[in-house]
Amino acid sequence: EAGVTQFPSHSVIEKGQTVTLRCDPISGHDNLYWYRRVMGKEIKFLLHFVKESKQDESGMPNNRFLAERTGGTYSTLKVQPAELEDSGVYFCASRLSWSTEAFFGQGTRLTVV
Amino acid sequence: GQQLNQSPQSMFIQEGEDVSMNCTSSSIFNTWLWYKQDPGEGPVLLIALYKAGELTSNGRLTAQFGITRKDSFLNISASIPSDVGIYFCAGQRVGSSNTGKLIFGQGTTLQVKP
Repeated sequence: EAGVTQFPSHSVIEKGQTVTLRCDPISGHDNLYWYRRVMGKEIKFLLHFVKESKQDESGMPNNRFLAERTGGTYSTLKVQPAELEDSGVYFCASRLSWSTEAFFGQGTRLTVV
Repeated sequence: GQQLNQSPQSMFIQEGEDVSMNCTSSSIFNTWLWYKQDPGEGPVLLIALYKAGELTSNGRLTAQFGITRKDSFLNISASIPSDVGIYFCAGQRVGSSNTGKLIFGQGTTLQVKP
């Protein structure tokens, strides 16, 4: 069974540009999470989907970030316009409703220059 | 702001040595988890703890859920080169266990010298 996959693995963009990150969760996992790790710091929660609904988006930094999960399958996280402080590794994780274990993707390393 | 304090930040040890790292919080957690991240990969769950005082082992790894519910430690015995990576503690706060939202520590970077 395929794990959580994220695209792209790396992205380097200029300040002011737009970037869209994609996450494909494990099939059947209703819960999908986005996290971010800024260099050397803790992994921080961004938001949580249950199927296509946003359950908790309290961790989203500001309105330049937009997450969607149309149809309750894959999710996208768009940053527009990107700023230098948006650089970091963005992780996606998914989880079955009855389980406590979340499975993480390999992450997308975003560098804004 | 940051809610979990993980230490040490990094460790450089000799193969065969034992390793210990811990996390503390000012808040009560009802679940403690320990993850390992290999280079270029995402975090992978090592051990999950659900009860205060619980001591759980997974091979050479042992973790404990502190009795106050505000701390946890992870021990690695007889370290080997493949133990290299970043270890993260993570917790679920009271009331958030049904959402699965995790709060992470800053990570402990472990390097093992053969």
